[in-house]
This record gives sequence, C-alpha cells and structure tokens, in this order.
Amino acid sequence: EAQVTQNPRYLITVTGKKLTVTCSQNMNHEYMSWYRQDPGLGLRQIYYSMNVEVTDKGDVPEGYKVSRKEKRNFPLILESPSPNQTSLYFCASGGAGNSPLHFGNGTRLTVT
Amino acid sequence: QKEVEQDPGPLSVPEGAIVSLNCTYSNSAFQYFMWYRQYSRKGPELLMYTYSSGNKEDGRFTAQVDKSSKYISLFIRDSQPSDSATYLCAACSGNTGKLIFGQGTTLQVKP
Repeated sequence: EAQVTQNPRYLITVTGKKLTVTCSQNMNHEYMSWYRQDPGLGLRQIYYSMNVEVTDKGDVPEGYKVSRKEKRNFPLILESPSPNQTSLYFCASGGAGNSPLHFGNGTRLTVT
Repeated sequence: QKEVEQDPGPLSVPEGAIVSLNCTYSNSAFQYFMWYRQYSRKGPELLMYTYSSGNKEDGRFTAQVDKSSKYISLFIRDSQPSDSATYLCAACSGNTGKLIFGQGTTLQVKP
C-alpha cells in the first residue's frame, strides 16, 4: 500500500531536549516536505526537498533541521525544542513536477 | 496578506444541501490549484486537482478556478454526513516545491 509513514504519532517533550520525527515514503517520490498545522494558521511549510541531498527552506524553517540522505526518508530534527514549536506536524511526498502530495497521518508534538 | 485566504467557518449544512467552499489568492503566478480533505486525526488527502482556469467535476464534487478574479471554489452536491471534514485549498506556481495552503474550512453535514 502506497503511504507516507511518520513516527511517532504523539510526542511530549521538554524544552531543549533534541528530538527527531521520522518520515518514510514507499512511492519512490522525489519530492518530500514538512508542514506544521496550527489553529487559524493552516498548513505552513517548514522545509522541502526536491531530491536526495537537495533541501530548501519553506516559510517557517527557524528552529528546525532536515536531511535527505536517501530518497525514501526525510527526518525532521528539532535541536532545541521550544514551547512555540508545539504543533501538529505533517510529512508529505509527491512525484515530479506538480504532482499532488500524499500526506502522513501527522505527529502531535507538545513541548513543555 | 496571506497568499491564499480561506474562511475557516465552521460551516454547518443539512444533509442533501449544496455546499460552496471558496478561497481567494493573491499571487498571479499560481497555475495549479488543489482541494484537500482532512478528517479528524488524519492527514490531508487530495480531493481535486486543476490546472489554470476552468471547471473540473468528479462525482458530487466540482472544482472551479477563475484566474481573472483569483478565486477558487469547491462545490459539493447532495452533501452527506461523511463529507464532514476540514477542506483545504492550495495553490502553487510551478515546479518550485512551494505549495501554499489556505487556513481550511471546517464543514459539518447534519443528518
């Protein structure tokens, strides 16, 4: 089954404790992206990757890092999480060009 | 000003009603327009995908794009309780990797 898998689904952590949210897709998609979703603000793009070893900032990249060492994986790293990063995070992947995105089921992160 | 604006609602309609969901956008370079549906505790899933101006129909759903007025619409005919979800419009300009979403409209269809 074609899917985007994020882990964990829920995460509670404390300020400053480094964490990684993993994302994996099995559709051989070149394009992958991370979004955060907040009430009243909708989905905002954090980082995206057009292909392996190619990443670029989205609209809200501050406080986040990503890497794309292989095609299927695109982890999101928070080196020093802060409470304003409490949010619902989605990973997405898509084919070449402007192919529609496939989303994972989200990771709800709470930073206290 | 957000590049894609969408009334968050909530919108509540009786079963069988025709639903109209709308977005406006400001970037003239946008050429690709999408509607995603998001159920509670799930990721968004693609509902409709259109290029440039015009209409596209898929079953009970019709997507409409008017580039002259920068207006995107989604119509749902014979709405069902299972249509209750958040609907997100999105747009992008080309092969840039930047898909811009509206805030999403929450729809409830009451039996």
